[in-house]
Amino acid sequence: DQQVKQNSPSLSVQEGRISILNCDYTNSMFDYFLWYKKYPAEGPTFLISISSIKDKNEDGRFTVFLNKSAKHLSLHIVPSQPGDSAVYFCAAKRGSSNTGKLIFGQGTTLQVKP
Amino acid sequence: NAGVMQNPRHLVRRRGQEARLRCSPMKGHSHVYWYRQLPEEGLKFMVYLQKENIIDESGMPKERFSAEFPKEGPSILRIQQVVRGDSAAYFCASSPPFAGLTYGYTFGSGTRLTVV
Repeated sequence: DQQVKQNSPSLSVQEGRISILNCDYTNSMFDYFLWYKKYPAEGPTFLISISSIKDKNEDGRFTVFLNKSAKHLSLHIVPSQPGDSAVYFCAAKRGSSNTGKLIFGQGTTLQVKP
Repeated sequence: NAGVMQNPRHLVRRRGQEARLRCSPMKGHSHVYWYRQLPEEGLKFMVYLQKENIIDESGMPKERFSAEFPKEGPSILRIQQVVRGDSAAYFCASSPPFAGLTYGYTFGSGTRLTVV
């Protein structure tokens, strides 16, 4: 039962352009969504999050959009840089507290070409 | 302020042996989560622990796997009688007891288990 899905295994963009990574979920009870970035042989690192009561959150080059009616969120990276090349995971959880399990998608590998 | 520390980074076990993976959470963090990443897959939740308590073990396989987070010392994920299908990267994450989710959970670098 894959509650969080990232249907694009990979994405390739040119440096300076926009990267858009997508994520869909099935559980309408999710309250909080997070994006993590992962380099090979390292653990995931937190990027940005959004509460279900919002539809947009921005942090520097990273913006997350949430469309609750479509159960869809996306991560926009503008402008993309070669150092952004990594695997990106979206995750979701119930409750907005700092406890409780995260449900992860399968990940999307982003390659930013110089 | 050290991050989440996992050891060993790499672990090789023969089929039938036991594997013990250790996780020391960030200072001040009292919640520990274990995740498994199989090759070419995402991270799958296994278990959520607080000191001396298992809060949610809904992702743990029913047999051979156990986890603990004692009052003193690191959290331990134990896999008995390992099989080749247990080969994966095992990640530990921690979170503080009182905070919002603005900064997410902090993950360790993982333990890569190879069963030969």
